[in-house]
Amino acid sequence: AQSVTQLDSHVSVSEGTPVLLRCNYSSSYSPSLFWYVQHPNKGLQLLLKYTSAATLVKGINGFEAEFKKSETSFHLTKPSAHMSDAAEYFCVVRLTSNYQLIWGAGTKLIIKP
Amino acid sequence: EPEVTQTPSHQVTQMGQEVILRCVPISNHLYFYWYRQILGQKVEFLVSFYNNEISEKSEIFDDQFSVERPDGSNFTLKIRSTKLEDSAMYFCASSLDTNTEAFFGQGTRLTVV
Repeated sequence: AQSVTQLDSHVSVSEGTPVLLRCNYSSSYSPSLFWYVQHPNKGLQLLLKYTSAATLVKGINGFEAEFKKSETSFHLTKPSAHMSDAAEYFCVVRLTSNYQLIWGAGTKLIIKP
Repeated sequence: EPEVTQTPSHQVTQMGQEVILRCVPISNHLYFYWYRQILGQKVEFLVSFYNNEISEKSEIFDDQFSVERPDGSNFTLKIRSTKLEDSAMYFCASSLDTNTEAFFGQGTRLTVV
């Protein structure tokens, strides 16, 4: 069965320092993976996606993620955090059987001034 | 930029009442979805809809739920005889096809009292 595990429920970093949000997936097939972001009182916005092309995926707002098959990971990174990055981030895998999205529990990113 | 819009943003209803959550997907999209997120829990798939019929549904989507595309633009989720445990954030999404990303609305927070 396909599943997603986000290893941290909360991550707190100082503004200007790097961000790392961890995600591991379980999939029998070559997965499609996504990161979505949800700012307070806003909808779910796609940050980036991996669909079996380049393993290093660049997204919006300076975020990127690297697909590592050997580690079954798809961690989200950003070199320098900004206050506006404070939000909840979801790692998502798309089932190959019926294209449903399976969601991780979410990681709340807190940015300290 | 086209977006998915949901109304209302917040709905409070009494237990046992029927509610209709409304969504306007992106106009050229063909696939439509409902997801929900109970407070503190993961986002869960409810149903997908294509070509005027349900293509997939989860175990959550029982006879209490129904979806409809009553005209060319709206996509609705009806919950009959609401229960306290139906309280959640309900997200509508749409995609061009099953291989492209889903775009999400801002969500409707349903509170059953």
